[in-house]
Amino acid sequence: QVQLQESGPGLVKPSETLSLTCTVSGGSFSTYYWSWVRQPPGKGLEWIGYIYYGGTTDYNSALKSRATISEDTSKNQFSLTLSAVTAADSAVYYCARGQYDFLGYFYYYYLDVWGKGTTVTVSS
Amino acid sequence: QSVLTQPPSVSAAPGQKVTISCSGSNSNIGSNYVSWYQQLPGTAPRLLIYDNNKRPSGIPDRVSGSKSGTSATLGITGLQTGDEADYFCGTWDSSLGAGVFGGGTKLTVL
Repeated sequence: QVQLQESGPGLVKPSETLSLTCTVSGGSFSTYYWSWVRQPPGKGLEWIGYIYYGGTTDYNSALKSRATISEDTSKNQFSLTLSAVTAADSAVYYCARGQYDFLGYFYYYYLDVWGKGTTVTVSS
Repeated sequence: QSVLTQPPSVSAAPGQKVTISCSGSNSNIGSNYVSWYQQLPGTAPRLLIYDNNKRPSGIPDRVSGSKSGTSATLGITGLQTGDEADYFCGTWDSSLGAGVFGGGTKLTVL
C-alpha cells in the first residue's frame, strides 16, 4: 500500500522560499506523475505541478515561475520549492501520485493517492 | 476563480440521491477525462471517480460519474451522514497545459 508523507517547515517568512518534501513508501516511484496541490484556508484545490520519473516537469502558470519540483529517486522523494512567498501562499500543501496518459481520444489525469497534507503559514 | 464550475452546496435527506454538477469548456472537460474527489472535514482529498465513470477499489457502487460534452456529474445514492463532505471535480486542461479543479461542493445530508 503506497503512502505519501509531506514534511517541511510550517512557518515561512514573506519573500523567503518555501521548501517541502514528499516521501513515497510502499510502492514504485517510477511511471507516475508526482504532483503537488494546495488548498488555502476555506478554499478549493489549486494544482501546483508535477514531476514525472526522470525529471520532466509541468507547472501552473499562475505561479509565475516561482515553483520548482525536483526528485531524489534514490530516496523515493520529490520536493517543492516556492520562492518569494506572500501571505497568499499560506495553505495546506498536499503531495499526490498522479496518473496521466492519452486514452482513446482524450487525456486522463487524476490523483489516486494523497498525502495527509502539511499546513504552511507565511508570516513574519 | 476556478476553471471548472460547481454549485457551492447541495443537500438531501438520508437514503436519497444527490447529483453534483461540474461545468467546463472544450479545452478541459470537453477534451479529457474527469475525476472526482471527496474531502471529509479535516482530511486529505480521496479519489472517488476517474476516467469519467470508473471507481477505484473500495468505492461503493452507489457512487457514480458521467460526462456529457463540457459537463460532468457525480451521483451518490442511498445517502448516509458519513457522506457529508466537500466534493471536487478535476481534469486536465489542454489549453492551459495544467491540472484544473472545480471550486468544490459542500454536501449536507439533512
